[in-house]
Amino acid sequence: GAVVSQHPSRVICKSGTSVKIECRSLDFQATTMFWYRQFPKKSLMLMATSNEGSKATYEQGVEKDKFLINHASLTLSTLTVTSAHPEDSSFYICSAREGPGHYGYTFGSGTRLTVV
Amino acid sequence: QKEVEQNSGPLSVPEGAIASLNCTYSDRGSQSFFWYRQYSGKSPELIMSIYSNGDKEDGRFTAQLNKASQYVSLLIRDSQPSDSATYLCAVNLISSNTGKLIFGQGTTLQVKP
Repeated sequence: GAVVSQHPSRVICKSGTSVKIECRSLDFQATTMFWYRQFPKKSLMLMATSNEGSKATYEQGVEKDKFLINHASLTLSTLTVTSAHPEDSSFYICSAREGPGHYGYTFGSGTRLTVV
Repeated sequence: QKEVEQNSGPLSVPEGAIASLNCTYSDRGSQSFFWYRQYSGKSPELIMSIYSNGDKEDGRFTAQLNKASQYVSLLIRDSQPSDSATYLCAVNLISSNTGKLIFGQGTTLQVKP
């Protein structure tokens, strides 16, 4: 089946630094990728939708300058948390689907970000 | 009104019983519905997808969809302690041309030995 690789799985960074999270589709071309964040005991909150070769579409309330998304190829999307602060500490998960008409959504294993 | 709603639970059932998980959604034109299971600290894993009214069975799991009532459910037969997890209902909103999935808040299931 389709596999999405996400790394790093865990990262600890100092407040004010930037962190990049990668999401790769290993055996299919992902025209669309989604980025979610999840707080403890809460559900997944969609942050943004990225389409290969175009700008990401951010959900209401998500700061696009803080959460930079790049989807430069059909197999790679990155999320960069810029100038991270402790309140950005969360579980970030990416998801990908192959394209319109493909109903399956494959999730990465998630990245636990801790900002100290 | 939330787009996808679930009872957060916890839902506690004895081992071997049937667990019934429910979900309602607000977008009447939604086409695709998914149930995911999530263990603590892990990412969601797909259990079932359903697209048309009625029941869909896969092993111990049965998904039920009623579009008229905007309701989707998941039944787990012969519940096992290993089924203890959070179950997330997700809906592909027809109003979104990007195909984004919106999740409910999840229902925590506890299966007691």
